[in-house]
Amino acid sequence: EAQVTQNPRYLITVTGKKLTVTCSQNMNHEYMSWYRQDPGLGLRQIYYSMNVEVTDKGDVPEGYKVSRKEKRNFPLILESPSPNQTSLYFCASSQQNIRARELFFGEGSRLTVL
Amino acid sequence: EDQVTQSPEALRLQEGESSSLNCSYTVSGLRGLFWYRQDPGKGPEFLFTLYSAGEEKEKERLKATLTKKESFLHITAPKPEDSATYLCAVQPPAGGTSYGKLTFGQGTILTVHP
Repeated sequence: EAQVTQNPRYLITVTGKKLTVTCSQNMNHEYMSWYRQDPGLGLRQIYYSMNVEVTDKGDVPEGYKVSRKEKRNFPLILESPSPNQTSLYFCASSQQNIRARELFFGEGSRLTVL
Repeated sequence: EDQVTQSPEALRLQEGESSSLNCSYTVSGLRGLFWYRQDPGKGPEFLFTLYSAGEEKEKERLKATLTKKESFLHITAPKPEDSATYLCAVQPPAGGTSYGKLTFGQGTILTVHP
């Protein structure tokens, strides 16, 4: 089954404690991206990756890091989480088609930073 | 900066009562406009891609249309199972530094009562 898998699905942590949210896709997609979703603000893009070793900033990259060492994985790293990073996070992937951006989304990871 | 505005924020319909959702955008040279459906607690699910003004796409009770400034998602004779948040997103022109960016609107929460 084609899917994007995120872990953990739920996490409560404390300010400053480094954490990683993993994202893996089994569709051999070149493009992957991270979003955060907050009430009233919609989905905002954090980082995206066009292919292995190619990443770029989205609209809200501050406080986050990413890496793309393998095609299937695109982890999101919060080096020193702060309460304003409490949010619902989504990973998504798609084929690298010049016209298409039909994204497949994961189920989401709800993060609370105390 | 690309702007995407969806209206209304929330819409309540009776079963069978047709209506339309709006997505207006400020991207010049739009490469693609996308509609997604999001159920509570789930990741968004792809519905349609529109590439040029005048284009229309249909799927069951949904029909998406595109002009140079906005897109409409028409819902004909909706059913309670159509209740969800509907998101639109725009992809900027190819080239430049924003090739992989995708900007979402805030969404319209649709509730269809039996």
